[in-house]
Amino acid sequence: NAGVTQTPKFRVLKTGQSMTLLCAQDMNHEYMYWYRQDPGMGLRLIHYSVGEGTTAKGEVPDGYNVSRLKKQNFLLGLESAAPSQTSVYFCASNKNWGEQFFGPGTRLTVL
Amino acid sequence: GEDVEQSLFLSVREGDSSVINCTYTDSSSTYLYWYKQEPGAGLQLLTYIFSNMDMKQDQRLTVLLNKKDKHLSLRIADTQTGDSAIYFCAERNSSASKIIFGSGTRLSIRP
Repeated sequence: NAGVTQTPKFRVLKTGQSMTLLCAQDMNHEYMYWYRQDPGMGLRLIHYSVGEGTTAKGEVPDGYNVSRLKKQNFLLGLESAAPSQTSVYFCASNKNWGEQFFGPGTRLTVL
Repeated sequence: GEDVEQSLFLSVREGDSSVINCTYTDSSSTYLYWYKQEPGAGLQLLTYIFSNMDMKQDQRLTVLLNKKDKHLSLRIADTQTGDSAIYFCAERNSSASKIIFGSGTRLSIRP
């Protein structure tokens, strides 16, 4: 039981490049989330999903897109990366009303 | 909208008790959580409390909830160096599929 995994762990991008972050969970959770963590600002919700094929905007969705084609995977895409998107990205998942399990994070730097 | 607030830093002497405080605005909060984040890692659930409870104790951890004042606290007895981390307060109400996190309190332990 791997829990929540994220790939890659680290990435450096140039402004304007695109990339996709992958989150996978093997706990059969319905709910999945993408957060970004910046110093002194805690966790801010980017997008989330309450089930396969559904997504919703969180607090800071601009510049990001997501897809949940399979229940176990939640992809976060940056179409044209900007320095303001330099952050640590965390994926999380939970069953309805259950504990939210977090992945180990992806550290992204945009130059 | 919902908001969760915490102070950013707390320093305590090893062996003393640590008390981390949190306030929230959503009066319909059903679940309140404390998560711990160690350096370079994701968040892990430490403990949680239902809104119909005033207190919950789990070994060295005591959670107190004052629903009238919308105030949550986490007390760590006999604080050890391994307790150094960022502690996040979070809340979820009965109609929401997302959890709202505070900005986190960085707990540092001095000898």
